[in-house]
Amino acid sequence: KAGVTQTPRYLIKTRGQQVTLSCSPISGHRSVSWYQQTPGQGLQFLFEYFSETQRNKGNFPGRFSGRQFSNSRSEMNVSTLELGDSALYLCASSQGVDEKLFFGSGTQLSVL
Amino acid sequence: GENVEQHPSTLSVQEGDSAVIKCTYSDSASNYFPWYKQELGKGPQLIIDIRSNVGEKKDQRIAVTLNKTAKHFSLHITETQPEDSAVYFCAASVVANSKLTFGKGITLSVRP
Repeated sequence: KAGVTQTPRYLIKTRGQQVTLSCSPISGHRSVSWYQQTPGQGLQFLFEYFSETQRNKGNFPGRFSGRQFSNSRSEMNVSTLELGDSALYLCASSQGVDEKLFFGSGTQLSVL
Repeated sequence: GENVEQHPSTLSVQEGDSAVIKCTYSDSASNYFPWYKQELGKGPQLIIDIRSNVGEKKDQRIAVTLNKTAKHFSLHITETQPEDSAVYFCAASVVANSKLTFGKGITLSVRP
């Protein structure tokens, strides 16, 4: 089985722009979560989707949004990018609610 | 909210020795405690997990113990090998696939 696939692998943007990151979960997995990883704050939960519905949300500003499609693929969007948004954005999938979480390799976003 | 602390922040052991990494958590509602290993350029990889109704779990050279009363859990790696060198994260959550709170991570170095 293929693992969690995230595209693109690297991204460079400038302040004020917006960005969309894509995630394909493991086949058969219906839940997708997003995490931000930075050297200073570590791994922080952004949001979780199950069957196209956002079930949980972390403490991030409204500039961070996401969605899940009927095929379980997910996208996250960050609008009006700030320098502090530079981070590794990780997508993770699980088969269902209260099931193990498996991470992709992430998208490294640099905001200049 | 949940707070997970991980210590020590770095650990160096000789190949063949055992390594123990400890974590504490604050929210008594947490029921799920996974451990992830992250190598350079990769996403976190789930190596073992434990739920609150179990005190210990083993998988070959890796074991995890949980003390719910004291709110701490530990990762034990026996017969360490150079390929065990990586950053290890502990986490805690109420539900396995959502809102994981991660520790800051520990860098384990196994000296050949």
